[in-house]
Amino acid sequence: DARVTQTPRHKVTEMGQEVTMRCQPILGHNTVFWYRQTMMQGLELLAYFRNRAPLDDSGMPKDRFSAEMPDATLATLKIQPSEPRDSAVYFCASASGGRGQPQHFGDGTRLSIL
Amino acid sequence: QQPVQSPQAVILREGEDAVINCSSSKALYSVHWYRQKHGEAPVFLMILLKGGEQKGHEKISASFNEKKQQSSLYLTASQLSYSGTYFCGTESSGTYKYIFGTGTRLKVLA
Repeated sequence: DARVTQTPRHKVTEMGQEVTMRCQPILGHNTVFWYRQTMMQGLELLAYFRNRAPLDDSGMPKDRFSAEMPDATLATLKIQPSEPRDSAVYFCASASGGRGQPQHFGDGTRLSIL
Repeated sequence: QQPVQSPQAVILREGEDAVINCSSSKALYSVHWYRQKHGEAPVFLMILLKGGEQKGHEKISASFNEKKQQSSLYLTASQLSYSGTYFCGTESSGTYKYIFGTGTRLKVLA
């Protein structure tokens, strides 16, 4: 089965450190989403790309978060500097085609900022 | 702006039925339903694209009332495996903006 691959699965680091999370979408999928999940906020959309172009990153704190798609097989989400409130599970999802397509989620990166 | 789901939580016995509702304040292009088990990623269940559309997936089905901007997920003859948190995801008409609902925790007891 084709899967979305996220690395690392777990990350523990100290406040102020840079964190980079990576996502490999399903081959052929042209839309990539980044979500953050916490108990308090549920599933929040941070940013999404179509054909590698950012379409919306309004859910992302601009001063410390950045998202890119260097190529069609890799999406990255960076936090610099990290803060304890960034602790959450970060999911990447990919979808094919245009609107109305199911999203396939990766297993997530569980991030803890001490 | 986040779609509101009701109920927030529900406990069932095996074999009982449940309905989960999703209500949006925005005009919708589509509604997606996902189930997430503890410690796992959300898993896609179904998409509804048209007003009044209904779909079925084994003993799980859903409806979408475009005019009311609401969708409902129906779980019949529930099984232990149905336990988890159910999310609706909505795409607004006119944009590709995608927002997940508040979630409904469902637990099925033997």
